Amino acid sequence: DVKVTQSSRYLVKRTGEKVFLECVQDMDHENMFWYRQDPGLGLRLIYFSYDVKMKEKGDIPEGYSVSREKKERFSLILESASTNQTSMYLCASSFRGDQPQHFGDGTRLSIL
Amino acid sequence: GENVEQHPSTLSVQEGDSAVIKCTYSDSASNYFPWYKQELGKGPQLIIDIRSNVGEKKDQRIAVTLNKTAKHFSLHITETQPEDSAVYFCAAPSGYSTLTFGKGTMLLVSP
Repeated sequence: DVKVTQSSRYLVKRTGEKVFLECVQDMDHENMFWYRQDPGLGLRLIYFSYDVKMKEKGDIPEGYSVSREKKERFSLILESASTNQTSMYLCASSFRGDQPQHFGDGTRLSIL
Repeated sequence: GENVEQHPSTLSVQEGDSAVIKCTYSDSASNYFPWYKQELGKGPQLIIDIRSNVGEKKDQRIAVTLNKTAKHFSLHITETQPEDSAVYFCAAPSGYSTLTFGKGTMLLVSP
């Protein structure tokens, strides 16, 4: 089975801090994704990566950046955290574009 | 880009009843339609998917139907059980690698 592991289930940070969310997948997938999930808004794509060191903006990239130095690891960075970034963050991976995405269990991030 | 509408947003049924969730999409070129189930405290899990070369796919108590002409697809759950209670998401491709998700349906199955 594919396993997507997010480093933290819960995280509390302060406004202005630089925040790192880490995600690791164990199936040698090409694609990795970061979403945020908010009530009533569903899953919204922040960034995705289709190869090492390659990244593409999703629908809501403002205030975020990403890093993919190794194929199995995809990091989401909040450069200067703000309260409106309090949310559930989900990482996913897929073998290629028309294959299923597999999700981690999410990181619930609170910015105080 | 792709636009996916999902209805209803909440659905309450009695155990043993059937449940149907519907989604519409906008891009006629879309050819892959997955459904995800998200239980409390967990990430979404793929439960069934369908590709555009078939009109229906079944897996035990769940089935998905696709109408390409009308650009809609539906999830059908028969003989619902309390453990089916969860949030369900449909999705459609929005690029080569990405998916656009519906806003989700909270299904509650009462014993």
